[in-house]
Amino acid sequence: ILNVEQSPQSLHVQEGDSTNFTCSFPSSNFYALHWYRWETAKSPEALFVMTLNGDEKKKGRISATLNTKEGYSYLYIKGSQPEDSATYLCATEASGGSYIPTFGRGTSLIVHP
Amino acid sequence: DTGVSQNPRHKITKRGQNVTFRCDPISEHNRLYWYRQTLGQGPEFLTYFQNEAQLEKSRLLSDRFSAERPKGSFSTLEIQRTEQGDSAMYLCASSPGTSGEGETQYFGPGTRLLVL
Repeated sequence: ILNVEQSPQSLHVQEGDSTNFTCSFPSSNFYALHWYRWETAKSPEALFVMTLNGDEKKKGRISATLNTKEGYSYLYIKGSQPEDSATYLCATEASGGSYIPTFGRGTSLIVHP
Repeated sequence: DTGVSQNPRHKITKRGQNVTFRCDPISEHNRLYWYRQTLGQGPEFLTYFQNEAQLEKSRLLSDRFSAERPKGSFSTLEIQRTEQGDSAMYLCASSPGTSGEGETQYFGPGTRLLVL
């Protein structure tokens, strides 16, 4: 079982601020890392899946980086908007073919207008 | 809507009763997962199916929990003799199952269970 830690646990920012969160995980046996966004009363929505050290992915104002050697990923949101308010979940998969992700507790982001 | 659906969305039951939840995955997705999420925690893996075969079960899954996917399409999760500690959000997800690890999972909206 991979121990996936996310920080901070919660974050309040003003509209227009840029922000970032961290997901850390054991670097041994790493295969893939997923980021999901979970808005209240909706389904968790996949943002990115990354597998390679140094990977960078971008989707609009949201981007993510991956460092598998030191075991962390950053998620960045540029110019936060109130609709970005959600819980951002990180999950990692270990190599070995089990296909079972281990989730962190999430970072709750609230963007104030 | 062709996403993952779950029914019911909310369930309130008394301790000791049995409950059953249903998940309809995205059509033709081979893998189907069940997770449980409690307040302040991330989703915890319970079990997963590749087509109709249940391939993994978490040690969290006591013998009061059973899951089926009889025809490799929809799945049911049953909890017998519910306890207050079973109160949680139960999430279902599916993925194509055509590639190896690293597949994106598509989640349903969850079933929120409250055991009184």
